[in-house]
Amino acid sequence: GAGVSQSPSNKVTEKGKDVELRCDPISGHTALYWYRQSLGQGLEFLIYFQGNSAPDKSGLPSDRFSAERTGGSVSTLTIQRTQQEDSAVYLCASSRTSGGGQTQYFGPGTRLLVL
Amino acid sequence: QQPVQSPQAVILREGEDAVINCSSSKALYSVHWYRQKHGEAPIFLMILLKGGEQKGHDKISASFNEKKQQSSLYLTASQLSYSGTYFCGTELIDSWGKLQFGAGTQVVVTP
Repeated sequence: GAGVSQSPSNKVTEKGKDVELRCDPISGHTALYWYRQSLGQGLEFLIYFQGNSAPDKSGLPSDRFSAERTGGSVSTLTIQRTQQEDSAVYLCASSRTSGGGQTQYFGPGTRLLVL
Repeated sequence: QQPVQSPQAVILREGEDAVINCSSSKALYSVHWYRQKHGEAPIFLMILLKGGEQKGHDKISASFNEKKQQSSLYLTASQLSYSGTYFCGTELIDSWGKLQFGAGTQVVVTP
């Protein structure tokens, strides 16, 4: 079946502009996660949508970052007034449920470059 | 909360073995292992749940020591395809669903 898809695959923007990154999870998966990976670094947790519950936003680095998930499926991560330090690969993952011990399946990521 | 992985990097010849360690200072519910090749998404390898189990996938296996909050990934008789960066993701007992990833271990397998 189809895996997690993300768009765009690459995004170049100018400092100060807003960007929107999209994630389409695996069909039927109720949990969705966003991570950020800077060059040569590990994965940094950003936000976690768990079914109908309120999202866990504890990893968002600043109030310039926000995310929403419409209809329990597609999610959009928005970065306002982008800064050069926002340049990274943004990875989305989904899992079947939001309980413990669930395998997270990753999308290919969006490579963001802020000039 | 981020787990500590060691070593940072390892270079192997085909057929050699390696161990990657992942340790946490907090009580864990599960440990997830992923491999990522350059420019690609992380690929799930295996998950170990609280209970101190051991799992295997081909010649890659892992163990989870619940008492020490540590997990180890064993690469046995390494193949060229094992090259990549290995990440452990830890799920805390009091924070289900959310994974904190280690900094990664870069593995290079040479002919």
